[in-house]
Amino acid sequence: GAVVSQHPSRVICKSGTSVKIECRSLDFQATTMFWYRQFPKQSLMLMATSNEGSKATYEQGVEKDKFLINHASLTLSTLTVTSAHPEDSSFYICSGTGSGDVRGTQYFGPGTRLLVL
Amino acid sequence: AQKVTQAQTEISVVEKEDVTLDCVYETRDTTYYLFWYKQPPSGELVFLIRRNSFDEQNEISGRYSWNFQKSTSSFNFTITASQVVDSAVYFCALTTGTASKLTFGTGTRLQVTL
Repeated sequence: GAVVSQHPSRVICKSGTSVKIECRSLDFQATTMFWYRQFPKQSLMLMATSNEGSKATYEQGVEKDKFLINHASLTLSTLTVTSAHPEDSSFYICSGTGSGDVRGTQYFGPGTRLLVL
Repeated sequence: AQKVTQAQTEISVVEKEDVTLDCVYETRDTTYYLFWYKQPPSGELVFLIRRNSFDEQNEISGRYSWNFQKSTSSFNFTITASQVVDSAVYFCALTTGTASKLTFGTGTRLQVTL
């Protein structure tokens, strides 16, 4: 299957700082990438959808100025949590889908655990 | 509106038992895709299967099998002869477009013990 990586896998930061999470598709071109948030023992909550070269589409209730998403290339999307606060602590997961064999199926990264102190 | 229901929150079985995870979906679209993903304790979601609405054939892959029944809007997942490594949270999901967002169920946590 297609491989997606995320970096960092775990980050601890102080309240008020910004954190950038990278999501890379390693062996396919991800025309669309998705960012999710998952709280303990809960399902995934979609935050936003981004197409390469376009502005991200955010789900209702997700602050676009707080969660900045950039999808500058077909293999890289970034999520920046600006001025992070303890309530932003969560597990963030990205996924990508593309064309050809990977069309229509989302392949997920390993996730990033963010802890804001 | 789309909805995926996984009524079983947690299932616990002893190794080598068979176990079926239920998934019931709702959609008004005639073209849709169903998925199962596995999320082990490490957190990464692993793609298991995708099935489109026009293909009701059941599928078997090793110890895994899937039963898709449009008449009952169900897409159940059976693990035969379960193993400890099968312990994970399993998510059923639905999309009605080739690149649109997934609607996830709430997941079923499977615990396989020796």
